[in-house]
Amino acid sequence: GIQVEQSPPDLILQEGANSTLRCNFSDSVNNLQWFHQNPWGQLINLFYIPSGTKQNGRLSATTVATERYSLLYISSSQTTDSGVYFCAVERAAGNKLTFGGGTRVLVKP
Amino acid sequence: KAGVTQTPRYLIKTRGQQVTLSCSPISGHRSVSWYQQTPGQGLQFLFEYFSETQRNKGNFPGRFSGRQFSNSRSEMNVSTLELGDSALYLCASRLLPSQGTQYFGPGTRLLVL
Repeated sequence: GIQVEQSPPDLILQEGANSTLRCNFSDSVNNLQWFHQNPWGQLINLFYIPSGTKQNGRLSATTVATERYSLLYISSSQTTDSGVYFCAVERAAGNKLTFGGGTRVLVKP
Repeated sequence: KAGVTQTPRYLIKTRGQQVTLSCSPISGHRSVSWYQQTPGQGLQFLFEYFSETQRNKGNFPGRFSGRQFSNSRSEMNVSTLELGDSALYLCASRLLPSQGTQYFGPGTRLLVL
């Protein structure tokens, strides 16, 4: 099956810093989503981004489908950005998301 | 529009028992998927249902089963519980299979003693 690798596995930031999270995948996909998992376990949708670039406030994402990677940018980080960020991909007609291992982010005040 | 809801939110069972978890999708969504999250294995796909039919199934033993009702609500069942079934079970819905964003519910946290 498709492989999804996220890096780095852990990230410690000072409040106000910028950061980049990376997601590499091993095959063509027709769906790529970024999630933030809150402390209670819920997966919060950040982006649906199978290709191109999107921005939502301090967060933005870029997917280069031809090179099989996606980047999530966090700018001016806040303590509320702490948590685990997951990338998940789906192949055409795959009917399921395959998740990466996540990046655990800690933003210190 | 209300989000995906899951019941119960927390559950404690003992080995050998069985459990049924429920998921109500976002109104209008007809595709429902289930995922298991554990510290060791991460997030893994269990199965997807659409129009009351299982369309895809992950690599889990037959003790894990599910179904979908005509109103798109879904249930999953785990029989003969094992300690390793302790996990967060997440349900997701979307309009149609293989299309668009999947929206996740808050999850059911199952502890097997």
